[in-house]
Amino acid sequence: GESVGLHLPTLSVQEGDNSIINCAYSNSASDYFIWYKQESGKGPQFIIDIRSNMDKRQGQRVTVLLNKTVKHLSLQIAATQPGDSAVYFCAEKLSSGSARQLTFGSGTQLTVLP
Amino acid sequence: ETGVTQTPRHLVMGMTNKKSLKCEQHLGHNAMYWYKQSAKKPLELMFVYNFKEQTENNSVPSRFSPECPNSSHLFLHLHTLQPEDSALYLCASSQGPAFGELFFGEGSRLTVL
Repeated sequence: GESVGLHLPTLSVQEGDNSIINCAYSNSASDYFIWYKQESGKGPQFIIDIRSNMDKRQGQRVTVLLNKTVKHLSLQIAATQPGDSAVYFCAEKLSSGSARQLTFGSGTQLTVLP
Repeated sequence: ETGVTQTPRHLVMGMTNKKSLKCEQHLGHNAMYWYKQSAKKPLELMFVYNFKEQTENNSVPSRFSPECPNSSHLFLHLHTLQPEDSALYLCASSQGPAFGELFFGEGSRLTVL
């Protein structure tokens, strides 16, 4: 079946460095993608989304890049801070689909080192 | 504070017990969801309610029984669970099922002994 997955299950970065978290998706029909952040003991929190008519979108300290050719999504966090330590996972769906059609990845654990 | 509150935050139960998880959203949303999150696995959608009507049952075993008395409250009744049902159960809401952003609660950590 089709799935959304992450290249690396864990990532450690030095405080102040930039972080890059990757996600591969296999459903070529998906045209809407979301990144979530889940801190320990908390529920997932929306970070940023991107539609397939874009290849880059920027938020506050975060940038999402979409490469439809290789079906790859990445989340870049600038000047990583201790508060960024969390599990990050991507989700995909058809933009015309409902929330119940979201397919989630399993996540990457980001650890920020002092 | 996401506007979605789940209780209890932690629950330990035996396989013969009956317990319930509760979710309440204060966002005025019309759609509510139950998700299961197991260690190192993607979120699994269990149930979807829209305007308190169930619109999705994702092949969930009958030992999980949802209840949605109104658009703001959602319950998950648990009975005769198995140890493999131990997981984090997340409630979420959205403005409507045809997608708006999902707002998650902090989850109920369930351990089945």
